[in-house]
Amino acid sequence: GDSVTQMEGPVTLSEEAFLTINCTYTATGYPSLFWYVQYPGEGLQLLLKATKADDKGSNKGFEATYRKETTSFHLEKGSVQVSDSAVYFCALARGNTPLVFGKGTRLSVIA
Amino acid sequence: DTAVSQTPKYLVTQMGNDKSIKCEQNLGHDTMYWYKQDSKKFLKIMFSYNNKELIINETVPNRFSPKSPDKAHLNLHINSLELGDSAVYFCASSQETNGKAFFGQGTRLTVV
Repeated sequence: GDSVTQMEGPVTLSEEAFLTINCTYTATGYPSLFWYVQYPGEGLQLLLKATKADDKGSNKGFEATYRKETTSFHLEKGSVQVSDSAVYFCALARGNTPLVFGKGTRLSVIA
Repeated sequence: DTAVSQTPKYLVTQMGNDKSIKCEQNLGHDTMYWYKQDSKKFLKIMFSYNNKELIINETVPNRFSPKSPDKAHLNLHINSLELGDSAVYFCASSQETNGKAFFGQGTRLTVV
């Protein structure tokens, strides 16, 4: 079945550091790919998405590019802030199936 | 206005009890979901439901049942609660099953 694998955390960075959170997927066909973010005590929010190969999703300084050849959708940000501290989930959806999530990566940014 | 709201936010109950969690969305979406998030933050789909079809994750015990009185509501009923049911339960909705989902704030269920 479909699955998403993302790097295990926690990830701890200093403010203004560069962030990469790796995500790879397994799916038949051509899924849409997503990054969701969960701030402490809140539900998930969509951060960005990409629906086809080579698409780049971007939002709030975060970016991820849909790489079909490597089945990856790595999340990057050039300069993280303390307010970016959260749990980040990579996810895919295909056809009529609900979102399938990775296990989440906790990011802590320290001043 | 909150797009997807669930109540209660916290629920503490004893083993063996029956409880319900309510979910309402005011987005006019056709599809609603219930997800379970365990203590390690892993999110797992439990149900997806639209006005045509209920899809049940086969790993979900039949003590869990979704009830949809109308398109805007999808409540979760849990019978004979067990310690292992302790988790955060998230309701979500989307207009298309292969698209952006909006999540509620979650219900933290603790079974003692």
